Amino acid sequence: DAGITQSPRHKVTETGTPVTLRCHQTENHRYMYWYRQDPGHGLRLIHYSYGVKDTDKGEVSDGYSVSRSKTEDFLLTLESATSSQTSVYFCAISTPGTGGETQYFGPGTRLLVL
Amino acid sequence: AQKVTQAQTEISVVEKEDVTLDCVYETRDTTYYLFWYKQPPSGELVFLIRRNSFDEQNEISGRYSWNFQKSTSSFNFTITASQVVDSAVYFCALSEDSGNQFYFGTGTSLTVIP
Repeated sequence: DAGITQSPRHKVTETGTPVTLRCHQTENHRYMYWYRQDPGHGLRLIHYSYGVKDTDKGEVSDGYSVSRSKTEDFLLTLESATSSQTSVYFCAISTPGTGGETQYFGPGTRLLVL
Repeated sequence: AQKVTQAQTEISVVEKEDVTLDCVYETRDTTYYLFWYKQPPSGELVFLIRRNSFDEQNEISGRYSWNFQKSTSSFNFTITASQVVDSAVYFCALSEDSGNQFYFGTGTSLTVIP
């Protein structure tokens, strides 16, 4: 158990509304990540963070923003939700260092945009 | 270009059969890391194994074994004497020493029929 929680676990929203997903970790990991999982695509990186207020874009960052004001929390915001953002969102952490540290995942958030 | 390819989208086997899940990767880094994750029907992502590029020794853990071959850029996963509890989606992933991102394959859905 990597001490990662995500909230909410399920959400239904309407097109055009802003949505914020929260990832919380209890073990002071420096690196945190947001992925989306869609059939046929596996997991795709949206944004990641390498420290408080330090974030960078991933492969599919359009339409998403993130914030990290505290080590333990990494927020993902859909600025104006669209149906194409219906997905399962996973947060992950990895221990500090260069690539190669293992990523551990939160339980996921199922988002449905109507 | 896809960095990690899992050509098998779905596999079905009868319980107690052996099954191999294929993973082919692409990287120019000399140092990199390979991973397998399991996603059971409950949806969580479970880390199974990590392998470093400089260690080609195969690994066995109970009924699970992994065959890492740099010559063919493959990191295949074999389940011996499969069980119904092995039914899941399995993801292969690559991390390069030059970055902090993970690259996931699209997953192989394994169904073990009792």
